[in-house]
Amino acid sequence: KQEVTQIPAALSVPEGENLVLNCSFTDSAIYNLQWFRQDPGKGLTSLLLIQSSQREQTSGRLNASLDKSSGRSTLYIAASQPGDSATYLCAGHGGGADGLTFGKGTHLIIQP
Amino acid sequence: ETGVTQSPTHLIKTRGQQVTLRCSSQSGHNTVSWYQQALGQGPQFIFQYYREEENGRGNFPPRFSGLQFPNYSSELNVNALELDDSALYLCASSLEWATDEQYFGPGTRLTVT
Repeated sequence: KQEVTQIPAALSVPEGENLVLNCSFTDSAIYNLQWFRQDPGKGLTSLLLIQSSQREQTSGRLNASLDKSSGRSTLYIAASQPGDSATYLCAGHGGGADGLTFGKGTHLIIQP
Repeated sequence: ETGVTQSPTHLIKTRGQQVTLRCSSQSGHNTVSWYQQALGQGPQFIFQYYREEENGRGNFPPRFSGLQFPNYSSELNVNALELDDSALYLCASSLEWATDEQYFGPGTRLTVT
């Protein structure tokens, strides 16, 4: 059974810093991994989807990597802004009928 | 193109009651999935439907049931509500397969008293 862990649980950094959020998963037979953003009390916004055959994906200031052999994914945020403050969730899909398996998220605060 | 919408936004029910939550997928999306998110936790997979057939289920009891309709709308029904059912319920749609990129709605906040 896939388990997903996100470290750290919370992070507070000054505006302008580059930062890395970590996601680890136990089953390397992962089909794809998706990063989401969630604002308080809201739904999830898809940020990046990485297929198992890919090593990384980029969108604007965001870059996500996937290393199946080590069971790790990272989300890199460049030049952080206060508007980036949110909870970031990673979720893996095993390719079957079990849906996405989510971590508990990293609560990110960017200080102005 | 409209996104995924859910109704109602908030709902308060009493233990033992039944509830129906609704979701409208993005047009053309054939797979819809439902998730339960307790406070401070990541979403947990309830079940998914593909072209009106349930084809995947998480670790939830049978009192959680669903329907998917040809017009890309779907329902989550929960019978015999328990206090622990209080959560944010999220639906997500994907174009064809459950492994495609998932697009989530804003959620329905259910409170069971």
